[in-house]
Amino acid sequence: DQQVKQNSPSLSVQEGRISILNCDYTNSMFDYFLWYKKYPAEGPTFLISISSIKDKNEDGRFTVFLNKSAKHLSLHIVPSQPGDSAVYFCAASGWGSQGNLIFGKGTKLSVKP
Amino acid sequence: KAGVTQTPRYLIKTRGQQVTLSCSPISGHRSVSWYQQTPGQGLQFLFEYFSETQRNKGNFPGRFSGRQFSNSRSEMNVSTLELGDSALYLCASKRAEETQYFGPGTRLLVL
Repeated sequence: DQQVKQNSPSLSVQEGRISILNCDYTNSMFDYFLWYKKYPAEGPTFLISISSIKDKNEDGRFTVFLNKSAKHLSLHIVPSQPGDSAVYFCAASGWGSQGNLIFGKGTKLSVKP
Repeated sequence: KAGVTQTPRYLIKTRGQQVTLSCSPISGHRSVSWYQQTPGQGLQFLFEYFSETQRNKGNFPGRFSGRQFSNSRSEMNVSTLELGDSALYLCASKRAEETQYFGPGTRLLVL
């Protein structure tokens, strides 16, 4: 059973607009969440993370929101740029997981000029 | 600072053979984790090594094994290759904090 779910396999956004990527998790022991961006045939690139003691974390154009009661997190990209087009993975880890990241299946973002 | 490096980048093997992949972590990172990415299963955790000891393992058969050396470099070995082992194998390293940094991966094709 998937513990981390990204229910939208793809998302298309116009350049300059906001991109919102969503992620749901089922395991309440997860306490650290990360977003990675991935191009084909390359390794994932770390974007931003959030600890379960926070509900928001910002880094430039990227903001991650965490709603623990709903077991939901989202990544906001504002403004979206064509270079943001890639597959975005949500990942989670729990206390004591010692390196085991659980990944969602990814959302392919296309930002159109 | 140099990132995580993996060698080789591409590999073609035949069923029944064995393969060894190599990963050099970011300098100062003592934890190395391995992941398998396939179109059907996504990114799945294989195992993690810290200070030359395996301290966590995913749900993969015993044909998948690894080790870590004193300089934190790690190798992953797959024996008796099957067609389903064709995948992108990713290595990630980290210090004590949770953020893992990934290498470019090794693309393995089993014929």
